[in-house]
Amino acid sequence: DVKVTQSSRYLVKRTGEKVFLECVQDMDHENMFWYRQDPGLGLRLIYFSYDVKMKEKGDIPEGYSVSREKKERFSLILESASTNQTSMYLCAILSSGSYYEQYFGPGTRLTVT
Amino acid sequence: EDQVTQSPEALRLQEGESSSLNCSYTVSGLRGLFWYRQDPGKGPEFLFTLYSAGEEKEKERLKATLTKKESFLHITAPKPEDSATYLCAVHWDTGRRALTFGSGTRLQVQP
Repeated sequence: DVKVTQSSRYLVKRTGEKVFLECVQDMDHENMFWYRQDPGLGLRLIYFSYDVKMKEKGDIPEGYSVSREKKERFSLILESASTNQTSMYLCAILSSGSYYEQYFGPGTRLTVT
Repeated sequence: EDQVTQSPEALRLQEGESSSLNCSYTVSGLRGLFWYRQDPGKGPEFLFTLYSAGEEKEKERLKATLTKKESFLHITAPKPEDSATYLCAVHWDTGRRALTFGSGTRLQVQP
């Protein structure tokens, strides 16, 4: 079974802090994603990465950056946290080739006060 | 414009009362349609990927089907533990690797 882990289940940060969310996968997949999920807005793509050091902006990249120095690890960085970044953050991987399957991590519930 | 639309938004069933959830899409060049189950406060759990019209997949009480414009998730004789939000998503041929998600159907199965 594919395993996607996230560094924290719950996180509380203050406005203006720099926040790091980390995602680790155990299956050597190239494609990794960061989404946020908010009531009424569904899942929205922040950034994705298709290889080490490669990244592309998703639909809502403002206020976020990412880092992928190793294939198994994809980090989401909130440069200066704001209250409107309070959300559930979900990391995912997409297996590709003949079959597509996307697996999510357990999520990080971030509260910015 | 919405590219992936799920209906109904919410559905309440009695235990054993079979029903279907709908996911319609307007994209062209579909590469895969995905179904997920999500419990409150947790990440979505992958259920199925469907690739072409006419394809069907089953898992326990769930059966997913695909046509050229929509997919159905049939739930046969549901149990209370099937209560969750069910999400569908599409991956299509734009060169973008990410999926586009529908807003989900909240299913509640009452004993």
